[in-house]
Amino acid sequence: QSALTQPASVSGSPGQSITISCTGTSSDVGGYNYVSWYQQHPGKAPKLMIYDVSNRPSGLSNRFSGSKSGNTASLTISGLQAEDEADYYCQSYTRSYTLVFGTGTKVTVL
Amino acid sequence: QVQLQESGPGLVKPSETLSLTCAVSGYSISSAYYWGWIRQSPGKGLEWIGNIYHSGSTYYNPSLKSRVTISVDTSKNQFSLRLTSVTAADTAVYYCARQRGGGSAFDIWGQGTMVTVSS
Repeated sequence: QSALTQPASVSGSPGQSITISCTGTSSDVGGYNYVSWYQQHPGKAPKLMIYDVSNRPSGLSNRFSGSKSGNTASLTISGLQAEDEADYYCQSYTRSYTLVFGTGTKVTVL
Repeated sequence: QVQLQESGPGLVKPSETLSLTCAVSGYSISSAYYWGWIRQSPGKGLEWIGNIYHSGSTYYNPSLKSRVTISVDTSKNQFSLRLTSVTAADTAVYYCARQRGGGSAFDIWGQGTMVTVSS
C-alpha cells in the first residue's frame, strides 16, 4: 500500500488560515469516512487532532477543522499561532482493514 | 487517565528479533478497543505496523506481515510486538497506541522507544 500524498511544506503568517491536503484513492480516503490527522512536534509522540474526517477530540481548539471531498481530505488551521508549527500527518483506513499514513507536512509559522 | 508505556531493548543485532512491550495503565485492555504499533524511522514519516483487538484478532501492514506478530497479555494488561529478521531499515522510534475503533484514529499514544539495529 502506498502512503497518502501530502505537500512537503505549508507556511503562513500568524492569524492566517492554512490548509493541508491529503490525497489517496477510492480504496482509502475516498472509500471510507475514517480519515484522521495528527500533529507532531520534534521529539514528541503524535497528537490526535481530527478523527473520522471532521471530528475534534474533546478539549481541542476549534481552530482545527477537517473535511473530505472525493479522494482528498483536508486539515484547515485557522488563526495560525506559533505553537502550531509542527509536522502534520493524515491517516486513512483502507480495504481489508489496513491503515496508511500520509507522507507528512511541515507547517512553518512565518 | 489512560497511559501507554513502551519498553524493550534499544539495540538489536541484524537478523535477530525485535521484541517490545506496551504496558497499559488506567484501562483494562480486555474491555474493548484496538491496540496498535506504529514506527517512525529517523527523519521519516509514520508507518503503521499492525493492530490487535482486545479479543486477540490481529491486522498487519502487508509490507511487514511476514515478519510481524502482535499479541496481548490481558493478565498483565499489556500487548507486545515481535519483528523478526531485522535489518538497519527497521531502526526507528516505535510507538504503541490505542485506536478508537476499527479503522478510526489512534487517540492515546505512548512516548515512543528508539530501537537501533546494528551489530
